[in-house]
Amino acid sequence: GESVGLHLPTLSVQEGDNSIINCAYSNSASDYFIWYKQESGKGPQFIIDIRSNMDKRQGQRVTVLLNKTVKHLSLQIAATQPGDSAVYFCAENRNTGNQFYFGTGTSLTVIP
Amino acid sequence: ETGVTQSPTHLIKTRGQQVTLRCSSQSGHNTVSWYQQALGQGPQFIFQYYREEENGRGNFPPRFSGLQFPNYSSELNVNALELDDSALYLCASSFTGGAIKTQYFGPGTRLLVL
Repeated sequence: GESVGLHLPTLSVQEGDNSIINCAYSNSASDYFIWYKQESGKGPQFIIDIRSNMDKRQGQRVTVLLNKTVKHLSLQIAATQPGDSAVYFCAENRNTGNQFYFGTGTSLTVIP
Repeated sequence: ETGVTQSPTHLIKTRGQQVTLRCSSQSGHNTVSWYQQALGQGPQFIFQYYREEENGRGNFPPRFSGLQFPNYSSELNVNALELDDSALYLCASSFTGGAIKTQYFGPGTRLLVL
């Protein structure tokens, strides 16, 4: 079957530390991936995306790594802040489809 | 803020009733996708509208239907509501026709079916 899953359902980090959130996907045809952040009571917020022809992409304080060999995606957040506390989802899209498949999410808690 | 708006923000209905949810897409976008998010789960794709027609559908029954209007806004209609329809309904806006498929989400409509 097709699935997008996360290795760690919950993650707690100290303020100022770096966070790494992992995601496994099973469909090798997926060619586009997005990381979303969802705060309580809000819709998912776009963080960063990456295409399958790349293995790394950097944004402001965030980096996404893609390993197509093992179908693994990770989100790295540098100098994690209390405002980073949220649920993080990875979403995958296949080049022939128009829907995104989401995993169950990882809850990140930043300890002040 | 993404520029994607949804209404209403909250809604309470009883089993068997019908509901209509609304979404306005971000400026410059021509495609609207609808997702259902149950508590503690990731969003599940319901369907997508492009050029006022359904352009892909997830594993949802026909009582979930939609519309897209010439201004690219969209409606999600659910008939014969069931208790399990209680969820956060998310609308995502995107542009079809270019290389970028990024979807930007609205704040959602929280539906409670009693």
